[in-house]
Amino acid sequence: AQTVTQSQPEMSVQEAETVTLSCTYDTSESDYYLFWYKQPPSRQMILVIRQEAYKQQNATENRFSVNFQKAAKSFSLKISDSQLGDAAMYFCAYRSTGANSKLTFGKGITLSVRP
Amino acid sequence: EPEVTQTPSHQVTQMGQEVILRCVPISNHLYFYWYRQILGQKVEFLVSFYNNEISEKSEIFDDQFSVERPDGSNFTLKIRSTKLEDSAMYFCASSFRRGVTEAFFGQGTRLTVV
Repeated sequence: AQTVTQSQPEMSVQEAETVTLSCTYDTSESDYYLFWYKQPPSRQMILVIRQEAYKQQNATENRFSVNFQKAAKSFSLKISDSQLGDAAMYFCAYRSTGANSKLTFGKGITLSVRP
Repeated sequence: EPEVTQTPSHQVTQMGQEVILRCVPISNHLYFYWYRQILGQKVEFLVSFYNNEISEKSEIFDDQFSVERPDGSNFTLKIRSTKLEDSAMYFCASSFRRGVTEAFFGQGTRLTVV
């Protein structure tokens, strides 16, 4: 079974600075998807970014980018130019490549942004 | 932009009562999911549903839970006899429009069992 580990429960960043959120996972599969979801105080789950394991290039979405290290089974999220609206809970998630596969989530990390 | 819609946003129920949580997935999505998040904890998979039957379920999804897609648009989660420990945020998600791999989540239903 796959597991996702987010070992940092909380992080804080100064507005306009850069922060990196860590995630590791364990799997025996060679192809899979990885995601970062944002959960603001409203508690809705919002997709931030996704990475296909077969792609060597790290995914980027505007201020959000990932550092995907497949051999190390590491998948960190970098937020550049942090904004107050980035304050939220962030969940790392794993999904097998089957279309009907479930998401396996980490415990999440609470990010606060200092003005 | 298409979105997954859940109703109600908040439901309070007496222990032992039945509740039905409703979801309208994104049109032409084929796969549907329910997840649960107990306050302060991680999001946990409950069940996946495809082609009008359960594809996979977790150990949490016991005989007290059931799902159905009664009319081709709604996707419901029923808890037959609620327990205090069923209090949680319940998320519906849908996925697999061609070329799309991620699951899109609804805004959640907060269930409080008293």
